[in-house]
Amino acid sequence: EIVLTQSPGTLSLSPGERATLSCRASQSVSSSYLAWYQQKAGQAPRLLIYGASSRATGIPDRFSGSGSGTDFTLTISRLEPEDFAFYYCQQYGSSPYTFGQGTKLEIK
Amino acid sequence: EVQLVESGGGLVKPGGSLRLSCAASGFTFSSYSMNWVRQAPGKGLEWVSYISGVSSYIYYADSVKGRFTISRDNAKSSLYLQMNSLRAEDTAVYYCARSVGSEGYWGQGTLVTVSS
Repeated sequence: EIVLTQSPGTLSLSPGERATLSCRASQSVSSSYLAWYQQKAGQAPRLLIYGASSRATGIPDRFSGSGSGTDFTLTISRLEPEDFAFYYCQQYGSSPYTFGQGTKLEIK
Repeated sequence: EVQLVESGGGLVKPGGSLRLSCAASGFTFSSYSMNWVRQAPGKGLEWVSYISGVSSYIYYADSVKGRFTISRDNAKSSLYLQMNSLRAEDTAVYYCARSVGSEGYWGQGTLVTVSS
């Protein structure tokens, strides 16, 4: 089983700042099958990034993903008020399709 | 418009069974693999199970293997999760989700509570 470890657990930033979220895998993620999701309270997760670096349909270009192998990053270039939420990475290259434990992005 | 609507959640006693359904619309259901994902109250996301478009491939998380069964009826555009031998730790919101692609689609979830 591939274990995904997200850091930091909580990130406190202000609107307009840049956010960098990390997702580290215990073994290589095949074909960069790594996704990032945003989740707000009481809502279903929203797909942001798939294939490690491709933005999902309708996702603003301030969201970008990078990385390969075991190290992946989600970057939000300039935080908007609506970006403060929980973020999860998921690998879907090999079963079980595990999620990271999440990063809470909160307003400073 | 793509829609995924879960149903079948509720309160069940430990050791009991429940069958969840997910009604899909707005896309060719048989062309897409599907997943169940759950989220315990106040916790993170946990992948539960996967089924390919024509049910050729099925996978489960170790935590539910042998107790849960995923299935689909492409004629009815529906996904199912049969849950047996339920435990308190199965308490969660259960989401159905289309497999990751350029667009991500999730239902709004159905709450399963396992308690005596």
